[in-house]
Amino acid sequence: AQSVTQLDSQVPVFEEAPVELRCNYSSSVSVYLFWYVQYPNQGLQLLLKYLSGSTLVESINGFEAEFNKSQTSFHLRKPSVHISDTAEYFCAVSEAGSTLGRLYFGRGTQLTVWP
Amino acid sequence: DAGVTQSPTHLIKTRGQHVTLRCSPISGHKSVSWYQQVLGQGPQFIFQYYEKEERGRGNFPDRFSARQFPNYSSELNVNALLLGDSALYLCASSFLRGGQETQYFGPGTRLLVL
Repeated sequence: AQSVTQLDSQVPVFEEAPVELRCNYSSSVSVYLFWYVQYPNQGLQLLLKYLSGSTLVESINGFEAEFNKSQTSFHLRKPSVHISDTAEYFCAVSEAGSTLGRLYFGRGTQLTVWP
Repeated sequence: DAGVTQSPTHLIKTRGQHVTLRCSPISGHKSVSWYQQVLGQGPQFIFQYYEKEERGRGNFPDRFSARQFPNYSSELNVNALLLGDSALYLCASSFLRGGQETQYFGPGTRLLVL
């Protein structure tokens, strides 16, 4: 089975500052990696995903994450955050090649951006 | 196009009761998955259905059951509710089943068991 550890439950940061949300995973097989964002009282929205190829993946709103196989990490970064980035962020993995597509989630990191 | 829809949005039940939650996937999507998100934790996988058949089940008791209809909508049923069943129940749909498929989540049904 797979497991995901998000090392920080809460990350407070000032607007326009850089941020990194950390994610480590454990798996005996190859995995696909995902970051989802959850705004208050809403469902999950896919932010970005790594399936294969370039280890650096980017989202349309300025976030990026880098797959590091040796470190089993998939940290999420943004060079300059906005108030609107305040949300809960979830890292997730699924088993590569599986026909099930079951997602294993971390406990989440609450990002709060202060003015 | 409409996204994944779930009903009801909120629900209050008492211990021992039964509840049915409903999900309509994105048009054309054949796979529906259900997740339970307890406050302060990440979502936990409950079921996946594809083409009306159960394809996967998480570590949940038999009180939890689900089904998928010919139009690919789905119901999640929970019997003999416990206080610990209070959670946000999320439905996700995808066109196929498989790890590469992006799962699109609905807004969830928030269940409170008193």
